[in-house]
Amino acid sequence: DGGITQSPKYLFRKEGQNVTLSCEQNLNHDAMYWYRQDPGQGLRLIYYSQIVNDFQKGDIAEGYSVSREKKESFPLTVTSAQKNPTAFYLCASSPQTGGAPGELFFGEGSRLTVL
Amino acid sequence: SQKIEQNSEALNIQEGKTATLTCNYTNYSPAYLQWYRQDPGRGPVFLLLIRENEKEKRKERLKVTFDTTLKQSLFHITASQPADSATYLCALDRPGYNKLIFGAGTRLAVHP
Repeated sequence: DGGITQSPKYLFRKEGQNVTLSCEQNLNHDAMYWYRQDPGQGLRLIYYSQIVNDFQKGDIAEGYSVSREKKESFPLTVTSAQKNPTAFYLCASSPQTGGAPGELFFGEGSRLTVL
Repeated sequence: SQKIEQNSEALNIQEGKTATLTCNYTNYSPAYLQWYRQDPGRGPVFLLLIRENEKEKRKERLKVTFDTTLKQSLFHITASQPADSATYLCALDRPGYNKLIFGAGTRLAVHP
């Protein structure tokens, strides 16, 4: 079945370590997104990519990095520079690249906890 | 900047009743507005999209209205069921930017 796969589901990290969250989609969508979700807050955009080898910063990009070497893959690295990385991370994709995005298809999320 | 307000308090209703959730926004009017459902520990799932020139949209037991004068969208679930219990998020596009802005969501609990 087509969809978005995020891994791992749960991840624990020690302070000072970088971690990479995986996001793979087989929907043939051009646009991919990373959001962060904290209790009581709306989803906040970290990075997005509309085409392979290109990506843009979202509203809270500091302390994060991404790559888009393949259409299907958009991994997110949470670096040690991110001050408060404990959160629920959601990857999404959309078939639209021009103008505003349409419907977003989300993965099941990755919960990162910093010990 | 655009602000989206959804009722942070949980909405508790009896099975069979109509649930009505509110999404208010400030500043610019979006070209369209979306509603998503999110279950605990899961990713959001798209439900409905309504455009600025549409007053109302329906899908099975779901109905969404969009009032650009009031800067408000209402999301209705008729004949609610316990399986409808979840958090519902509204999201607005930002013209000229390829991204959505999400509200914090409202948790709905439908009791038998």
